[in-house]
Amino acid sequence: KQEVTQIPAALSVPEGENLVLNCSFTDSAIYNLQWFRQDPGKGLTSLLLIQSSQREQTSGRLNASLDKSSGRSTLYIAASQPGDSATYLCAVSDDKIIFGKGTRLHILP
Amino acid sequence: GAGVSQSPSNKVTEKGKDVELRCDPISGHTALYWYRQRLGQGLEFLIYFQGNSAPDKSGLPSDRFSAERTGESVSTLTIQRTQQEDSAVYLCASSSGPFDGYTFGSGTRLTVV
Repeated sequence: KQEVTQIPAALSVPEGENLVLNCSFTDSAIYNLQWFRQDPGKGLTSLLLIQSSQREQTSGRLNASLDKSSGRSTLYIAASQPGDSATYLCAVSDDKIIFGKGTRLHILP
Repeated sequence: GAGVSQSPSNKVTEKGKDVELRCDPISGHTALYWYRQRLGQGLEFLIYFQGNSAPDKSGLPSDRFSAERTGESVSTLTIQRTQQEDSAVYLCASSSGPFDGYTFGSGTRLTVV
């Protein structure tokens, strides 16, 4: 059974710092891995999608990597801003989409 | 449409009433999910539709919950005899295939009073 774990559960950092969020999964037979952002009381916004054959994807200040063999992905956020404060969710897709419990990120002004 | 549309965006209902939530997926998306998210909690899988296959209903919490989808179009989630613990945001997501990502709607916030 696929399980997705995100570490840390919560993170507070001063504005301007670079930071890394971690995601691990137990079964490497996935089609893709997706990072989402969720603001309080809102739906999920897709940030980056990494296909199983890819190693990384970049969008602006965000970079996500995927290592299927070790069952790990990282989301790197450069030069963090207060507007980055949100919950970040990692999800893998095999027959179904399986979510981690998320990392609550707070960027201190 | 350009995105996944859910309606209503907010619903307040009295305990014991039935409610129906609607999800319009992106045109051509064969896969559709329903999730529930209680306040401050993670996403709870409810049901999964894939094309014309039998839906995966393994996440439905009780027989008061049901969902339908005709072909690859609109889906409705029905909650009968609502209880206060049903209060949550109900999220819908769709995808065009297993290699593609999922797009979420903005959700329906259900409050049972």
